[in-house]
Amino acid sequence: DSGVTQTPKHLITATGQRVTLRCSPRSGDLSVYWYQQSLDQGLQFLIQYYNGEERAKGNILERFSAQQFPDLHSELNLSSLELGDSALYFCASSGGGEPYEQYFGPGTRLTVT
Amino acid sequence: SQKIEQNSEALNIQEGKTATLTCNYTNYSPAYLQWYRQDPGRGPVFLLLIRENEKEKRKERLKVTFDTTLKQSLFHITASQPADSATYLCAYPLEPGGYNKLIFGAGTRLAVHP
Repeated sequence: DSGVTQTPKHLITATGQRVTLRCSPRSGDLSVYWYQQSLDQGLQFLIQYYNGEERAKGNILERFSAQQFPDLHSELNLSSLELGDSALYFCASSGGGEPYEQYFGPGTRLTVT
Repeated sequence: SQKIEQNSEALNIQEGKTATLTCNYTNYSPAYLQWYRQDPGRGPVFLLLIRENEKEKRKERLKVTFDTTLKQSLFHITASQPADSATYLCAYPLEPGGYNKLIFGAGTRLAVHP
């Protein structure tokens, strides 16, 4: 158990809908990262937050947004969903600063029908 | 743009042998490389980090090397066991100074047979 929690575990929704994925980092970790993993793309970095502020951005679509709250939990919002958004979404956390290892949560499997 | 390549074909080995996985990168030399293990449907688990000034790093049966001339990292599992069967991912920073903004390889699937 990495100490990172993600909810929900599974999510099935229709095209055009909006969903919110939630992540709680390990106790004491200030950085939260979001990744998307699909069969044909591998693990893709989406966005990083550090202590409530956006720190780095990857190939995150404009339809996707994220935020980190004062209690350090984070949410990833996906809107106007398309079939191609079906994937595993992982959250990871680390201590920030030096190149610390990242601890990944169990993921949320999103299926868009 | 940065590219990271891992052998996409599965690696099948016999229990007790040493498994060697390869990670090649292009363009700039990263300050460090990380290796993760991922089981089907689960999140990656951190294994080892090696910095550019370290030639080799060990942890129990695991060994990682980092050759900045060849732009390559090798990941070894000695005395492999069926429980080592998983996909192994290498990762490094997407850009210089972007310490934790990582690019991951597609992973190499390792199958250890009894």
